[in-house]
Amino acid sequence: QSVLTQPPSVSEAPRQRVTISCSGSSSNIGNNAVNWYQQLPGKAPKLLIYYDDLLPSGVSDRFSGSKSGTSASLAISGLQSEDEADYYCAAWDDSLNGYVFGTGTKVTVL
Amino acid sequence: EVQLVESGGGLVKPGGSLRLSCAASGFTFSNAWMSWVRQAPGKGLEWVGRIKSKTDGGTTDYAAPVKGRFTISRDDSKNTLYLQMNSLKTEDTAVYYCTTVVGATSPYHDYWGQGTLVTVSS
Repeated sequence: QSVLTQPPSVSEAPRQRVTISCSGSSSNIGNNAVNWYQQLPGKAPKLLIYYDDLLPSGVSDRFSGSKSGTSASLAISGLQSEDEADYYCAAWDDSLNGYVFGTGTKVTVL
Repeated sequence: EVQLVESGGGLVKPGGSLRLSCAASGFTFSNAWMSWVRQAPGKGLEWVGRIKSKTDGGTTDYAAPVKGRFTISRDDSKNTLYLQMNSLKTEDTAVYYCTTVVGATSPYHDYWGQGTLVTVSS
């Protein structure tokens, strides 16, 4: 059972902006950095955002991350059909002494 | 180019054992912390565990559902990561991914393999 909660799905038209929320607690998001992963259909996950708001080399700057307290958000601007994927937030959990993933959010481009 | 190639998946009966391997290349494996992450069919991602580099102690951490049944090890001479799975349960059915880990605190998984499917069924 995931300890980080995300909406199951979000959808928006092309070129619009979507945001995905990730709610945790003081033992994970509240005390550790948040990371985001993108999983395209049938593919392995890929690191999208690390340390709350940093983009790995090669990731489009249409993606951005933020964190406040025990919650985090991923924003995708200028939505494109290639952004249709599952997105997962994640963080280390000090109480569990383990890494926890969010429940995942499916992004659909209308 | 970093490459992680998992192998060893397959069909196994409940209570059985299986060993997964992950062949690494394109980086200094001996310096890397590594982990396993799994994904049950149609479900989300679940962290299985990690192993630190030998210079950082080589210790392991595991998720509660697999602790005591799964063992992560590494052979730095072969650039290979392993996951020994014992007392397998039907709920262990999943695609298992090998990943590199960055960061001793607030870690993240920067490279992922393509995954290998483990099916536990009678």
